Amino acid sequence: AQSVTQPDIHITVSEGASLELRCNYSYGATPYLFWYVQSPGQGLQLLLKYFSGDTLVQGIKGFEAEFKRSQSSFNLRKPSVHWSDAAEYFCAVGAGFGNEKLTFGTGTRLTIIP
Amino acid sequence: DAGVIQSPRHEVTEMGQEVTLRCKPISGHNSLFWYRQTMMRGLELLIYFNNNVPIDDSGMPEDRFSAKMPNASFSTLKIQPSEPRDSAVYFCASSGGTGNSLTQYFGPGTRLTVL
Repeated sequence: AQSVTQPDIHITVSEGASLELRCNYSYGATPYLFWYVQSPGQGLQLLLKYFSGDTLVQGIKGFEAEFKRSQSSFNLRKPSVHWSDAAEYFCAVGAGFGNEKLTFGTGTRLTIIP
Repeated sequence: DAGVIQSPRHEVTEMGQEVTLRCKPISGHNSLFWYRQTMMRGLELLIYFNNNVPIDDSGMPEDRFSAKMPNASFSTLKIQPSEPRDSAVYFCASSGGTGNSLTQYFGPGTRLTVL
């Protein structure tokens, strides 16, 4: 069975600074990887996904993530954060077609300071 | 295109009462998921359907919880009787469609408070 670890429960970053949120997964085959963002009182919104191909994927809101098979990681990055990026971020892994379940990490809460 | 629709957005009820949460998935999607989110337990998958058939209900807490999907455009999650520990935000998500079948799209959630 697949699993996801987000080692950082809470991260604080200054506005304009760069950001990297960590995600490590465990899965025996090629994973399908996702990052979602949840603003307070809202549902989860898809930021980006990796299925195959180029290991650096671009998402919405200026986010990108890089799939590194050797490190079993799918870290989320943004070169310059904005106050509106304050939210909870979830990494998820899927087994693939025929098993539509996603396994979510416990989330990383991002705080932005002026 | 409308996203996943959930109703009600907020529900306050008393212990012992029946609660029904509703979900309309995105048109054309053939998988539907019910999640529960709490501070203590995070995001938990309760049950998911594929083509209206329950595939995995291993996350359903106990017999007080039941879910149905009578057709491709509607699903319900029922709690009977409700208890204070059921207080949480319940999300519905759907996935499917050509070339994008694994990506789940979430509704805004129903915040349930059981007094």
